[in-house]
Amino acid sequence: AQSVTQPDIHITVSEGASLELRCNYSYGATPYLFWYVQSPGQGLQLLLKYFSGDTLVQGIKGFEAEFKRSQSSFNLRKPSVHWSDAAEYFCAVVGYGGSQGNLIFGKGTKLSVKP
Amino acid sequence: DAGVIQSPRHEVTEMGQEVTLRCKPISGHDYLFWYRQTMMRGLELLIYFNNNVPIDDSGMPEDRFSAKMPNASFSTLKIQPSEPRDSAVYFCASSFIGGREKLFFGSGTQLSVL
Repeated sequence: AQSVTQPDIHITVSEGASLELRCNYSYGATPYLFWYVQSPGQGLQLLLKYFSGDTLVQGIKGFEAEFKRSQSSFNLRKPSVHWSDAAEYFCAVVGYGGSQGNLIFGKGTKLSVKP
Repeated sequence: DAGVIQSPRHEVTEMGQEVTLRCKPISGHDYLFWYRQTMMRGLELLIYFNNNVPIDDSGMPEDRFSAKMPNASFSTLKIQPSEPRDSAVYFCASSFIGGREKLFFGSGTQLSVL
């Protein structure tokens, strides 16, 4: 069965510093991979997605993620964090060939930003 | 478009009472999802619909939970009877092409069962 692991529950970075949030997935074939962001009291918003092709994908708000099949990873990065990036970030996977609706989320990483 | 609309925003009820959560998806979206979010279990997919038909309800925790989608613009998630362990944030989301495309989430319903 497919699954997603986000090893870091909570990360704190200084404003202007770089950011990397980790995500590992488990799936036997080519996955569809996503990063969503949730601000307090809000629903989730899509940051970026990967289906195939270039393994480095660009998203909104200056975020990017790199798909590494050999490591079963899809880490999210941002070169310079802004205070408004403080939120909870979720990695998610849908299996190719699997159920269209079977989008599985990781447990999330909460990002705090120090001034 | 107003986005996915959920009501109520907050619901406080007593154990044993019936609870009904409502969702209006974005017009034209073929898929509708119900998720539950808790600190312990994260985001869990409860059920999803395609063209108003329930496709996978394997995430529904038990028979106390039921979901319907009588038409393309409305869905309900009902809990009867409610229990304290049902306390969570319930999200509705919709999309054009299922989970492989962008999901649009509502703002959620915060349910507290006392």
